[in-house]
Amino acid sequence: EADIYQTPRYLVIGTGKKITLECSQTMGHDKMYWYQQDPGMELHLIHYSYGVNSTEKGDLSSESTVSRIRTEHFPLTLESARPSHTSQYLCASSEGGGRTYEQYFGPGTRLTVT
Amino acid sequence: GDSVTQMEGPVTLSEEAFLTINCTYTATGYPSLFWYVQYPGEGLQLLLKATKADDKGSNKGFEATYRKETTSFHLEKGSVQVSDSAVYFCALNSGTYKYIFGTGTRLKVLA
Repeated sequence: EADIYQTPRYLVIGTGKKITLECSQTMGHDKMYWYQQDPGMELHLIHYSYGVNSTEKGDLSSESTVSRIRTEHFPLTLESARPSHTSQYLCASSEGGGRTYEQYFGPGTRLTVT
Repeated sequence: GDSVTQMEGPVTLSEEAFLTINCTYTATGYPSLFWYVQYPGEGLQLLLKATKADDKGSNKGFEATYRKETTSFHLEKGSVQVSDSAVYFCALNSGTYKYIFGTGTRLKVLA
């Protein structure tokens, strides 16, 4: 069973607030990812990390930022939440080393900005 | 660039019906292919995978065969249950950091 956790699971917050979505994994995986999932279900990569102190932006432009100070922890921060940030956010991880490794996903955080 | 195309949903079936969800891909090189399932309110879970041509992945009665000649990885199940109702994603990885996902196919199984 995958050991990747996200908190909170649900968050309703007002416009302009700063929020941090937490993601942790206990598998020692080097690669970690953040996806935004729209209501039509499609997944959009917004950030990824190869390892500690390595982060890159994904395909979908996002006002969020990420950090990777520890292997197991990959938090996502929104400095000033807006209604357009309302979405489902999924964190994932995978072992390094090649194409055969699958991703493991957390349960997701459903964010609503009012 | 690499891409994955899935059949559009929703797919609605009666319990015990046969399921096929089509998935085709374009990729350079020799990607690995994956099927993920997402149940309501949850993240994605790996359902099965295949890492080379002619491999068959299988799990929980689902199976898919990596067909290089038709660039396909169709998901099949002989007899679906209500509990199989979920969204199914086809995906590939060609060896980079990036996983390419299809747009997802929603399956609804009626009792």
